[in-house]
Amino acid sequence: SQELEQSPQSLIVQEGKNLTINCTSSKTLYGLYWYKQKYGEGLIFLMMLQKGGEEKSHEKITAKLDEKKQQSSLHITASQPSHAGIYLCGADYNAGNMLTFGGGTRLMVKP
Amino acid sequence: EPEVTQTPSHQVTQMGQEVILRCVPISNHLYFYWYRQILGQKVEFLVSFYNNEISEKSEIFDDQFSVERPDGSNFTLKIRSTKLEDSAMYFCASTTGQINTEAFFGQGTRLTVV
Repeated sequence: SQELEQSPQSLIVQEGKNLTINCTSSKTLYGLYWYKQKYGEGLIFLMMLQKGGEEKSHEKITAKLDEKKQQSSLHITASQPSHAGIYLCGADYNAGNMLTFGGGTRLMVKP
Repeated sequence: EPEVTQTPSHQVTQMGQEVILRCVPISNHLYFYWYRQILGQKVEFLVSFYNNEISEKSEIFDDQFSVERPDGSNFTLKIRSTKLEDSAMYFCASTTGQINTEAFFGQGTRLTVV
């Protein structure tokens, strides 16, 4: 089984709808990062979570880290076409900023 | 806003040739990283670098790879003799500290080995 699994693999939502992406780790997390990637481009930093129960928000995006520090969710409120892209979670397993990435969730937002 | 910059954006090279990928990390950052993403696959860690030394490297980072910080601003990844399977997007990243710090990535260099 994979160390870091994201679900769903892909998601199509109507503009204005809310959505949630999950990232589940098979090992204890030291930190969890969320990035957005447009096809063929770089990774845009969204949020970093460290403590169990931590929750951070930026504009319409909220990320939470489960108290057992093995799962994170990314929630987008009132999605817009600009939210489309690939969302990647990256796990720090050994406090060294060397990240293990999940397979990504491809999000499409239909206008 | 400070950013990590990578050059070139796209490099095509013949199998067996040497390539050097260049990165300019954010100026006050001290830790530097290379990752790669083969088309359709996950982003994978290659190497981390601090204080002019490799801190960690993955099993992907074999003797064909090397990293260098030749001056105060550039951070390079060299592949000595490229193979077809080296074709990938290579990302440079930098952070201010080793732990609990935001990791910022560059736009990537798409390497195509023919």
